[in-house]
Amino acid sequence: DSGVTQTPKHLITATGQRVTLRCSPRSGDLSVYWYQQSLDQGLQFLIQYYNGEERAKGNILERFSAQQFPDLHSELNLSSLELGDSALYFCASSVRDGSNTGELFFGEGSRLTVL
Amino acid sequence: AQRVTQPEKLLSVFKGAPVELKCNYSYSGSPELFWYVQYSRQRLQLLLRHISRESIKGFTADLNKGETSFHLKKPFAQEEDSAMYYCALSGLGSGNTGKLIFGQGTTLQVKP
Repeated sequence: DSGVTQTPKHLITATGQRVTLRCSPRSGDLSVYWYQQSLDQGLQFLIQYYNGEERAKGNILERFSAQQFPDLHSELNLSSLELGDSALYFCASSVRDGSNTGELFFGEGSRLTVL
Repeated sequence: AQRVTQPEKLLSVFKGAPVELKCNYSYSGSPELFWYVQYSRQRLQLLLRHISRESIKGFTADLNKGETSFHLKKPFAQEEDSAMYYCALSGLGSGNTGKLIFGQGTTLQVKP
């Protein structure tokens, strides 16, 4: 499958813990976007990377961080987890750097449950 | 501020009835508008974008800059149209990063 892949699909952890979500973009895509989907919140944009560099930042908490590696995969790190961080985290990728808008291709998401 | 508003969380219609999913936006520049769809157990995927002016699966959407709206319409709903629909906005022009701002989504339920 050459689409966007996210791991893990499901994750259950306790408050105060730290987790890492991983995303591999589509082959050839340079931009990676992270979104959070929680109840009644829709899809909230967190952060975007393009070719290893941070490109845009949304409402991402200071407890959250992300990076994009030379092989273009990306990781979203969530620390000091709270109950309210329970959500579905989506990764998307696109081929362009954003100077022109392009279609985003989404992964299946990582469902995080904080107990 | 960039914002997308979908006022209906749930829209329920009977098969064959017309459908209109509402979307209003707030954006200071020139926006590009999209509709994304998520069918049950599938990934979120692009349905249509205003720039291409296409009709996909019988759906159309017209950008109304005066009313800042981008409503999604279909004259005759089918059961397979049941899904979650998201309206999204991105900025046009240089300097735009390509990120999309999404609305909260509307669940369309088409009853037999």
